Amino acid sequence: TQLLEQSPQFLSIQEGENLTVYCNSSSVFSSLQWYRQEPGEGPVLLVTVVTGGEVKKLKRLTFQFGDARKDSSLHITAAQPGDTGLYLCAGVSTGNQFYFGTGTSLTVIP
Amino acid sequence: DTAVSQTPKYLVTQMGNDKSIKCEQNLGHDTMYWYKQDSKKFLKIMFSYNNKELIINETVPNRFSPKSPDKAHLNLHINSLELGDSAVYFCASSQFTGSNSPLHFGNGTRLTVT
Repeated sequence: TQLLEQSPQFLSIQEGENLTVYCNSSSVFSSLQWYRQEPGEGPVLLVTVVTGGEVKKLKRLTFQFGDARKDSSLHITAAQPGDTGLYLCAGVSTGNQFYFGTGTSLTVIP
Repeated sequence: DTAVSQTPKYLVTQMGNDKSIKCEQNLGHDTMYWYKQDSKKFLKIMFSYNNKELIINETVPNRFSPKSPDKAHLNLHINSLELGDSAVYFCASSQFTGSNSPLHFGNGTRLTVT
């Protein structure tokens, strides 16, 4: 089992603040995906990063894949209440298997 | 139209019973999956099917059996339910089995075993 540890596990911030979520592993992945899950719903894909060192931006969200393809980060600028949810990273192994991270539950307080 | 739909949304049953959860995808995807999300929100894969062939079977008790009548459906049957089976079960699909093919999830079935 390829373990992906996310930190922090829980995060509660005020609207307008910035935050970073980390996804770390000792394993190398061919790609890494980030999902957001809202209560009562399934996870929804936010982004896929493939190349080591790759940075992708999605409005106020910035995703980075580590140079060694073992870790990733998600940075949110000026968080809004609509960003509230469970953020999950998922590493895809060279064998095309998905391994989900331990999750980060984000609450943005208006 | 809902891309990946699963029923029921909630399932409450007693220990020892047998139950099924149904899943259908209308995306034309080749691969379907079942995931289990525990109380700590950890998602763990249970099964995946590619063109009606089981290609992943993690350490899941044989009380759980996936059944795929066709490419668009992957149902989950559970025999002799136990308390520890209580969780949220998610069905998902992907266009193909590959690192650039994202997962499309249903909205989950919350199973409670009493």
